Amino acid sequence: EIVMTQSPATLSVSPGETATLSCRASQTVSVNLAWYQQKPGQAPRLLIYGISHRPTGIPARFSGWGSGTEFTLTISSVQPEDFAVYYCHQYTGWPPETFGQGTKLEIK
Amino acid sequence: QVHLQESGPGLVKPSETLSLICAVSGVSVSDYYWNWIRQSAGKGPEWVGYMHSSGSASYNPSLKSRVTISIDTSKNEVSLTLTSVTAADTGVYFCARPRRSYGFDAFDIWGQGTVVTVSS
Repeated sequence: EIVMTQSPATLSVSPGETATLSCRASQTVSVNLAWYQQKPGQAPRLLIYGISHRPTGIPARFSGWGSGTEFTLTISSVQPEDFAVYYCHQYTGWPPETFGQGTKLEIK
Repeated sequence: QVHLQESGPGLVKPSETLSLICAVSGVSVSDYYWNWIRQSAGKGPEWVGYMHSSGSASYNPSLKSRVTISIDTSKNEVSLTLTSVTAADTGVYFCARPRRSYGFDAFDIWGQGTVVTVSS
């Protein structure tokens, strides 16, 4: 099983600042890496797929990068609606697909 | 517009069988791999498994002996059955669809989830 480890567990930033969230895989996941945002009582929302691609409708302030086993989600100029929990997800197809334990982005 | 709606009993007794339904609208269930994902309170999501109408299926090894996912093309529904449940199976269960109809991909369409509590 590929273990996804996210850091930090909690990140405190002020609105307008940049947030940097990390995700490390226990073995290479190639380009099969996604990021999701989840708010209380809601399903996860896809933000990034294929390491760095944004689905239609996702603001440009969300960007992803990395390779192999180290990945980063950057949120530029954090908006009030961005405070939520963020998860990384590997979908290499080698079961099981796995998610990280999450990073909670909170208001400083 | 694609919409997924999970439904189920809400409360299941230990050792019994959990059965959930995901009603799919806006797309044919024959066209994608359909996934179930669950999430315990305060934890990250856990992939349960997928099924394709061709019969191709894959399950999380940690659940493999207890889980079955099936597809009813006549009703355009996906179902999940989990046997011998324990309190560790308590959580929110989501059905989800990957971006592409082939291969493995991120999940861009999710249902709202259904809460399952295992308790006597």
